[in-house]
Amino acid sequence: GENVEQHPSTLSVQEGDSAVIKCTYSDSASNYFPWYKQELGKRPQLIIDIRSNVGEKKDQRIAVTLNKTAKHFSLHITETQPEDSAVYFCAASINGGSQGNLIFGKGTKLSVKP
Amino acid sequence: GAGVSQSPSNKVTEKGKDVELRCDPISGHTALYWYRQSLGQGLEFLIYFQGNSAPDKSGLPSDRFSAERTGGSVSTLTIQRTQQEDSAVYLCASSYTRDSYNEQFFGPGTRLTVL
Repeated sequence: GENVEQHPSTLSVQEGDSAVIKCTYSDSASNYFPWYKQELGKRPQLIIDIRSNVGEKKDQRIAVTLNKTAKHFSLHITETQPEDSAVYFCAASINGGSQGNLIFGKGTKLSVKP
Repeated sequence: GAGVSQSPSNKVTEKGKDVELRCDPISGHTALYWYRQSLGQGLEFLIYFQGNSAPDKSGLPSDRFSAERTGGSVSTLTIQRTQQEDSAVYLCASSYTRDSYNEQFFGPGTRLTVL
């Protein structure tokens, strides 16, 4: 089955710097890659996702890139702010059929220091 | 509108007891998912429902775990003869359909502590 590895497990940056979180997946059939943000004590929420037919997607300060050949995808946060501090989870799935379960990485705890 | 709700928010039980965790998905969402989140770990998939049926139970850790969904809405996750390693936050999510392109909306979770 699918396996998702996420790095780093913790990341500390200064406010205003950029943060990059990387994930790799094992199943080349995976075609959907969402990112969830979980603030302390709160539920995970989708922040951005990408499908396998595109290589990059941006939404204001966040962007996700996908390299299907290498089977890895990354989350980029620019101009980080203290409110970006949270645990970020990547996930991968094969859309449709019985393979559509989201398989999550173990998460990255991002701390943005003012 | 109302989001996904779960109850109880916290549950403390003794080893060997049975527990039931409840999930109320967003109205109209046909797909429902259960995950387990242990300290410092990611979201471990347990089971999903499409309507009232559960085609994929592969994530359930043992036969002490079971789940059901009635009326295409409320779902209950039951853990029998709880063990200390069952201590975790149990998260429920729902989505409009089984299509994974549909965003999964998570509930606040139930924190289970087995003493």
